[in-house]
Amino acid sequence: QTVVTQEPSFSVSPGGTVTLTCDLSSGSISTGYYPSWYQQTPGQAPRTLIYSTSIRSSGVPDRFSGSILGNKAALTITGAQADDESDYYCMLYMGGGTYVFGTGTKVTVL
Amino acid sequence: QVTLKESGPALVKPTQTLTVTCTFSGFSLSTSGVRVSWIRQPPGKALEWLARIDWDDDKFYSTSLKTRLTISKDTSKNQVVLTMTNMDPVDTATYYCARVSRDGYNFGYWGQGTLVTVSS
Repeated sequence: QTVVTQEPSFSVSPGGTVTLTCDLSSGSISTGYYPSWYQQTPGQAPRTLIYSTSIRSSGVPDRFSGSILGNKAALTITGAQADDESDYYCMLYMGGGTYVFGTGTKVTVL
Repeated sequence: QVTLKESGPALVKPTQTLTVTCTFSGFSLSTSGVRVSWIRQPPGKALEWLARIDWDDDKFYSTSLKTRLTISKDTSKNQVVLTMTNMDPVDTATYYCARVSRDGYNFGYWGQGTLVTVSS
């Protein structure tokens, strides 16, 4: 069974930088998995931040960036703000019309 | 403007079949390249992808839930329906529908979700 693991939590200071990662149990993540990232605040539906590894969705501030770091997908928040405090999920396209979400990372800004 | 809205029962008994409906606007599932997926999220837990249906009626399911899921569409009503059989309390979750991106690799638009509780 495919498992995609994210750090359970991160704390970042306002104005600071944090990098979240997305790790695939069966091997390396490449651009061919088209990693995407979603932000979710309590009680709200997810919001698309990044797709196809590094493309920001419309209206997403440029302090959010996506990349491949080593064998993982990564989401970096540069200059964190208070309203970035959310849960963040990565998702991979596994082929054959199927997808898998990561375990999620809770980001606290304080 | 693309919108999606989920609807369904708030409470389902164990062993019953769940039917949730996604009603959307701003696009048509009869248009080539259009796809809609269902995703769920148990309270306090991670998102889980469930199923996808395409404009050409191709259907794809989560491997772990494949035997319990059926996805269908009613193009004339702009609706996508997901049924899940043999519901269990562990299936308690918010069920979301989302429009899949044109290239098929991510979810660009999400509904607000509908919470379904499984309890006797």
